[in-house]
Amino acid sequence: GIQVEQSPPDLILQEGANSTLRCNFSDSVNNLQWFHQNPWGQLINLFYIPSGTKQNGRLSATTVATERYSLLYISSSQTTDSGVYFCAVGHNAGNNRKLIWGLGTSLAVNP
Amino acid sequence: SAVISQKPSRDICQRGTSLTIQCQVDSQVTMMFWYRQQPGQSLTLIATANQGSEATYESGFVIDKFPISRPNLTFSTLTVSNLSPEDSSIYLCSVAGVMNTEAFFGQGTRLTVV
Repeated sequence: GIQVEQSPPDLILQEGANSTLRCNFSDSVNNLQWFHQNPWGQLINLFYIPSGTKQNGRLSATTVATERYSLLYISSSQTTDSGVYFCAVGHNAGNNRKLIWGLGTSLAVNP
Repeated sequence: SAVISQKPSRDICQRGTSLTIQCQVDSQVTMMFWYRQQPGQSLTLIATANQGSEATYESGFVIDKFPISRPNLTFSTLTVSNLSPEDSSIYLCSVAGVMNTEAFFGQGTRLTVV
């Protein structure tokens, strides 16, 4: 099955710093999503990005499907960015909508 | 995007009892998914629930421990039975879109078994 690796596993930033999170996957996919899990456990959709580049405020993401990786950029980080960032991929066919999850990057932004 | 209401948001249960978690979606969806997230871990798929048929369970999960109901296209329940402290986790329901397969999640249920 598809393997998903995220790096780094942990990251500590000072408020205002920029960061890049990486997601590598082992096979072709037609679904890739980035999520932020806040300290209360809620999963928040950040990007649905099986290919290409998207931006939403201070966050942006790029997926290079042919090279099997995706990057999540966080600029001018804020304390509210703290939490765990997950990458999840799927190779959906027919009724198969399963997501394969990375282990996450735990981010702490200090004031 | 789909709006998913999941309840309860948290509960503390005695070992040996059961907890039923409800998931309500604001639109009709074919497939709903139930996940478990153990402390400090990533998400693990428990089962896929299709309306009108039995749920499909992933390896390591069985119907007797995690019975699922899916009475219609907007609602599902997951029961965690015969609770033990090892069942303390966050449980999440999810739906996937039809056109672009983007997944959406409920708020999660944080279960603590004492």
